[in-house]
Amino acid sequence: KFMLTQPHSVSASPGKTVTISCTRNSGTIGTNYVHWYQQRPGSSPTTLIYNDDQRPSGVPDRFSGSIDSSSNSASLSISGLKTEDEADYYCQSYDSSSRWVFGGGTKLTVL
Amino acid sequence: QVQLVESGGNLVKTGGSVRLSCATSGFTFSDYYMSWIRQAPGKGLEWISYISSGGDDIYADSVRGRFTISRDNAKKSVYLQMNSLRAEDTALYYCARESRKSSSFDSWGQGTLVTVSP
Repeated sequence: KFMLTQPHSVSASPGKTVTISCTRNSGTIGTNYVHWYQQRPGSSPTTLIYNDDQRPSGVPDRFSGSIDSSSNSASLSISGLKTEDEADYYCQSYDSSSRWVFGGGTKLTVL
Repeated sequence: QVQLVESGGNLVKTGGSVRLSCATSGFTFSDYYMSWIRQAPGKGLEWISYISSGGDDIYADSVRGRFTISRDNAKKSVYLQMNSLRAEDTALYYCARESRKSSSFDSWGQGTLVTVSP
């Protein structure tokens, strides 16, 4: 079974770009799609990115996803940071053995 | 629009049982796979159970043998029967719809809180 590891927290200033990593510990990151969710305080998660790099309608293009095979990781990048982006971010993937796996979550602070 | 509304959360004693419900609207429920995902206080998300549109079910190791997922397509609802509850089952329980485009969850309810006390 695999695990997804995220940094516990990241921070950046408004207007800057921040990147959150999601590293798979076994198996190849590109074998199964990675998805990203945003969870604001007191709210349910919402999908930011699905299938590695696809944005649902309504999600601003400030949010982007990518895969890096060399580090066996996925990344979520947020450009033009806004105070409203302050939230917890989770990556998630699936395989037939581990089923649906979430990363531990990353708390983003916009300073 | 798509809505998922959970209910049934409660304060229960260790070893007790509770049944969660998730009522849905705004989409053709019978076409979608559904899951329950939980979040312990101050912790991350943990997928715990899945049910296909036809009723096939899958469970995380942490709940297998204690929890049972079911659905009623006529009532557009999904349920989670939780038995032999432990302190570590204390969490906010979300029902979530699996996307038809991917293995992601494209709609979530607001969650219902289950607290297991000694």
